[in-house]
Amino acid sequence: QIMLTQQAESLWISPGERVSITCRASQSLLYTDGKHYLSWYQQRPGQTTKALIYHASVRTDGVPTRFIGSGSGTEFTLSIEHVQPEDFAIYYCLQTLKSPYTFGAGTKLELK
Amino acid sequence: EVQLVESGGGLVKPGASLKLSCVASGFTFSDYWMSWVRQTPGKTMEWIGDIKYDGSYTNYAPSLKNRFTISRDNAKSTLYLQMSNVRSEDTATYYCTSYDSYVMDAWGQGASVTVSS
Repeated sequence: QIMLTQQAESLWISPGERVSITCRASQSLLYTDGKHYLSWYQQRPGQTTKALIYHASVRTDGVPTRFIGSGSGTEFTLSIEHVQPEDFAIYYCLQTLKSPYTFGAGTKLELK
Repeated sequence: EVQLVESGGGLVKPGASLKLSCVASGFTFSDYWMSWVRQTPGKTMEWIGDIKYDGSYTNYAPSLKNRFTISRDNAKSTLYLQMSNVRSEDTATYYCTSYDSYVMDAWGQGASVTVSS
């Protein structure tokens, strides 16, 4: 199965800063349609898990533009510019290229 | 508003069976693939499996295939997860999600399952 590695378990940042969360796949997530089957999710206490990004870089409806997905092949990044108080949460990457679909271990954004 | 509401969780003994339900609203349930995902107490996420919009096809994580069964009733807009011969490692919060091939775009609030004697 495809392994996803999110190296940082936690990242400590201050509001207003920029942060990048990385996700590395054990094989390329590029499909023959030219798209990467890598998505990002945000999990906040007391809220349902929210899809932020799909196809590595496309924001889902209503996601603020400060959330930026990038990367290709096996290396992907979720960047958050000017972090807001509501952005302190756990972030997961997910690959849906090949079953069994797999998640990264999650990266928790914590207040410095 | 899209809503997914899981139910049926609780405390169960090892070796028992349990059936979770997920009622969907706010979208045409019968048009969507659906999936189940679980999250351990340590926050690890694991994909369990998914089911085609008409229920004709299911796909499972190999490690769970022999004990978990996903089904749906489109007339009731309800997704199910039948768990059998549960083990302590099945202790988790179970989420249903609506699913396209590239994103799990809506999630429920989760149903907590604890397996303990």
